[in-house]
Amino acid sequence: SQTIHQWPATLVQPVGSPLSLECTVEGTSNPNLYWYRQAAGRGLQLLFYSVGIGQISSEVPQNLSASRPQDRQFILSSKKLLLSDSGFYLCAWGTGIFSGNTIYFGEGSWLTVV
Amino acid sequence: AQKVTQAQTEISVVEKEDVTLDCVYETRDTTYYLFWYKQPPSGELVFLIRRNSFDEQNEISGRYSWNFQKSTSSFNFTITASQVVDSAVYFCALSGASGSARQLTFGSGTQLTVLP
Repeated sequence: SQTIHQWPATLVQPVGSPLSLECTVEGTSNPNLYWYRQAAGRGLQLLFYSVGIGQISSEVPQNLSASRPQDRQFILSSKKLLLSDSGFYLCAWGTGIFSGNTIYFGEGSWLTVV
Repeated sequence: AQKVTQAQTEISVVEKEDVTLDCVYETRDTTYYLFWYKQPPSGELVFLIRRNSFDEQNEISGRYSWNFQKSTSSFNFTITASQVVDSAVYFCALSGASGSARQLTFGSGTQLTVLP
């Protein structure tokens, strides 16, 4: 069966410091991969998605970037964190490129920028 | 453009009561998919159900049931005999059929609290 893991689970970082959140998927190949952010107020915002290695699409211009160095690995990064980057970050995976394929989420990472 | 509206921000019920979470959607696609996810306090979003626009049959899974009505663009979720473990934020989501991997639109969520 497929599983998705992301880490770290909790992170407290000072303003201006770098960020790296990592996500890996097991049990499937060539998945679509996603990074979502959930700020206070519960809204889920799609940040990035990837349909293959090295293929990244950005949904919202911001202080963050994403990379997919391997088929089942997705990394969310920042060179200099802002206070507004605080939130709950969720990695997710889905199969195929067509809508309607269910998206499954990881455990999430709580980021607090101080 | 797609839109999902969950008008109920918070709902509180006493254990064993039935509760219905409302979801209204907007889309111009004729083929689309609807989802419900549960987010317990731990944070992980748990997939509950997917429905495509051609299947209007209601579905029941244990204490959970879903009522899909295209005529009113609604996909409501009912929990029968609620339990404390049902306390969570529930999200309704919509995916269009335009072939893009990014088109999953979430509602703002409904916080359900089940009191013992």
